[in-house]
Amino acid sequence: QKEVEQNSGPLSVPEGAIASLNCTYSDRVSQSFFWYRQYSGKSPELIMSIYSNGDKEDGRFTAQLNKASQYVSLLIRDSQPSDSATYLCAVNMFSGGYNKLIFGAGTRLAVHP
Amino acid sequence: KAGVTQTPRYLIKTRGQQVTLSCSPISGHRSVSWYQQTPGQGLQFLFEYFSETQRNKGNFPGRFSGRQFSNSRSEMNVSTLELGDSALYLCASMDPGVQNIQYFGAGTRLSVL
Repeated sequence: QKEVEQNSGPLSVPEGAIASLNCTYSDRVSQSFFWYRQYSGKSPELIMSIYSNGDKEDGRFTAQLNKASQYVSLLIRDSQPSDSATYLCAVNMFSGGYNKLIFGAGTRLAVHP
Repeated sequence: KAGVTQTPRYLIKTRGQQVTLSCSPISGHRSVSWYQQTPGQGLQFLFEYFSETQRNKGNFPGRFSGRQFSNSRSEMNVSTLELGDSALYLCASMDPGVQNIQYFGAGTRLSVL
């Protein structure tokens, strides 16, 4: 089982729709969760962080965390073509006395006009 | 504040050569992590340095090494390059006091011929 799993996609949504991206993780004691956006040929850019169960909203983005189910999701409302990118889920895992960030393989999102 | 700076942006090497990549973190950040990103394997953690000490390491062969200087700048070295080392190498800096959020540089694209 991979430590952080995401559906690779592509996830195709029409402009204006809600895009829902999902991620599961294996380490029950993980406390920090992140969503990064990566455009083709560019480096990952942090868009959301979440640490507590429930929802966290920032503009058109909402991150949802359920630690009991080991599940974190990202909702993008009113999707725009500029949201087309790969979304990486990242989880802080404790290893060797320190935390390290483990990334999922990413979900490719395509928003079509 | 200036972001994370990686040099060079692009490199072309041949098999058997060695290469050194450089990363300057965000001012005040003492933690630097290195990642390898390939289409097949995604983002893979290489190692993390904090205050000139390697405190975490991923599952890469000993040909991959790094170091950190007293000003927190970090270098990564790959010896005896193989074709499979062709990848985007990303550096991320983190202020541990801010809930483990990592900020990425633009990356170094390494091509091994």
